[in-house]
Amino acid sequence: LAKTTQPISMDSYEGQEVNITCSHNNIATNDYITWYQQFPSQGPRFIIQGYKTKVTNEVASLFIPADRKSSTLSLPRVSLSDTAVYYCLVEDETGGYNKLIFGAGTRLAVHP
Amino acid sequence: GAVVSQHPSWVICKSGTSVKIECRSLDFQATTMFWYRQFPKQSLMLMATSNEGSKATYEQGVEKDKFLINHASLTLSTLTVTSAHPEDSSFYICSARRLAESTDTQYFGPGTRLTVL
Repeated sequence: LAKTTQPISMDSYEGQEVNITCSHNNIATNDYITWYQQFPSQGPRFIIQGYKTKVTNEVASLFIPADRKSSTLSLPRVSLSDTAVYYCLVEDETGGYNKLIFGAGTRLAVHP
Repeated sequence: GAVVSQHPSWVICKSGTSVKIECRSLDFQATTMFWYRQFPKQSLMLMATSNEGSKATYEQGVEKDKFLINHASLTLSTLTVTSAHPEDSSFYICSARRLAESTDTQYFGPGTRLTVL
């Protein structure tokens, strides 16, 4: 089972800011939080990764509160091309090695 | 940087044949690679973890004799679907773990569409 929970779907309009929140109540002390974007028939694309507080890059920001039990991906001024599935992931260490177990992700639809 | 390629991007084969899919990390070395499969409208499902120089670790329910994994070098892992059947038709995606100073990050390939007739 995935270690994260996020909304199944979201709708937005071009030019708006989109915030997708992910819950990871059982995150371990040394776990990082990573977000990926996936378009149909393509592999997931790395968006951003963080451990605590705030991380910003050229495409998104990631906000992580002090307890690290959740995180929020913020996409500024979305466009139609941001329509995709967004996955929030925390590494799973079951079995003695680290791996990513994907949840359902959040299907974002950006409308004109 | 952090580019992962897969070959082929798509393949169509007859039932009963074997198909090999390659996954390469182009600009970094990866001691660990992962293989996923994804059915339409579903999320990625981890099949196995491929470790350079050792046997792959398969997830529960994945047949290791059907899905052969070889990780012969730090930049190449292969997945061979043996005796493929129509139910093996799926989108196969690999990822490679890039070792960084403070954290490991996985980078994904573009995927391979397998259609078994």
